[in-house]
Amino acid sequence: NAGVTQTPKFQVLKTGQSMTLQCAQDMNHNSMYWYRQDPGMGLRLIYYSASEGTTDKGEVPNGYNVSRLNKREFSLRLESAAPSQTSVYFCASSERSSEKLFFGSGTQLSVL
Amino acid sequence: GQQLNQSPQSMFIQEGEDVSMNCTSSSIFNTWLWYKQDPGEGPVLLIALYKAGELTSNGRLTAQFGITRKDSFLNISASIPSDVGIYFCAGSAFQGAQKLVFGQGTRLTINP
Repeated sequence: NAGVTQTPKFQVLKTGQSMTLQCAQDMNHNSMYWYRQDPGMGLRLIYYSASEGTTDKGEVPNGYNVSRLNKREFSLRLESAAPSQTSVYFCASSERSSEKLFFGSGTQLSVL
Repeated sequence: GQQLNQSPQSMFIQEGEDVSMNCTSSSIFNTWLWYKQDPGEGPVLLIALYKAGELTSNGRLTAQFGITRKDSFLNISASIPSDVGIYFCAGSAFQGAQKLVFGQGTRLTINP
């Protein structure tokens, strides 16, 4: 049972480059989320999708865009990467807006 | 906005010892959750609490929803090496995972 799958696991970008982080869940969950984790800080919500066809900003959305491609997939795009976006990114899913989140294993992103 | 203060930030203990950590909020919460993150992985839900005064166990783990609704506690009894990791509290005053606020984490290290 895969749960939440994120790709890639690691990525290095140069400032100004773009990339898309992929996320897919196989638990038939309605809601999906993107978080970032920085040293000494808790997880911070970037964007979320409460249900297929909807997306909303979280606490730290600047510099990111998202696409809820279908019920299973929720991607995060960095259009022009900046060093401040160096972080570990986690995708998560839950049953309709439930606080019981299921997380992927993360993407470690470095922007030089 | 809502803030969580989690303490201690790190703990170094001997195998077999009991562990206590806590989270305090600047405002009243209706939901408290505890997650554990193993190295290189995403957080995994340990315990969810929904009622002030609630005490819930999951094996050797016990968590409590403080009666003031501004704090929560996690205890681990008779620690073992696989307890190593980062423990996060999360709380919310409103329904929905998009409203969750995460603590900074407690890093637990165990000396065998």
